[in-house]
Amino acid sequence: AQSVTQLGSHVSVSEGALVLLRCNYSSSVPPYLFWYVQYPNQGLQLLLKYTTGATLVKGINGFEAEFKKSETSFHLTKPSAHMSDAAEYFCAVSPPMDTGFQKLVFGTGTRLLVSP
Amino acid sequence: DTAVSQTPKYLVTQMGNDKSIKCEQNLGHDTMYWYKQDSKKFLKIMFSYNNKELIINETVPNRFSPKSPDKAHLNLHINSLELGDSAVYFCASSQYSEMRFGPGTRLTVT
Repeated sequence: AQSVTQLGSHVSVSEGALVLLRCNYSSSVPPYLFWYVQYPNQGLQLLLKYTTGATLVKGINGFEAEFKKSETSFHLTKPSAHMSDAAEYFCAVSPPMDTGFQKLVFGTGTRLLVSP
Repeated sequence: DTAVSQTPKYLVTQMGNDKSIKCEQNLGHDTMYWYKQDSKKFLKIMFSYNNKELIINETVPNRFSPKSPDKAHLNLHINSLELGDSAVYFCASSQYSEMRFGPGTRLTVT
């Protein structure tokens, strides 16, 4: 079975500060890992994903995440927060898939608050 | 050109009623899903269809019945609605490791 733990239901940063959202996973097989963002009253949008290969992955809007197998972590970072980054962020894990079928298991989400 | 669309966006109904939510994707993906997001924002998969065939059916009350008339559509019918069914329901589709979500349907049962 797979699971995801997101530390901190809320994270507050000032505009221009570093954003760090934490995600730890549990998986009995090499995982695929994802970060999704949800803006108020909208659906989920894929920020970035790790499947295989380079462990530092870059996504949209200046976000990146690093897969650390030894720490079972996939933390999301952004060097400088913008007000528009305020949203709910979800980390998710799935077993490696060769087909289109995925069974994503989501974390409980972290709300990012950005103050001026 | 919306990739994954759902209707309606909002649905308010009374306990005991039957309602449906429709989903369509124009991405050519083979697999479609229904996810439920509760009031605490927790997302959980309910169903998954691959080429019109049911492949995931999580522990969901049998009042919920998915129907896939073709590869591009996955509808969700809910019978005898209960207060606890109030949530946001997301449709999604995927191909390989790319999953795309619809905008969600906020269901409120009164």
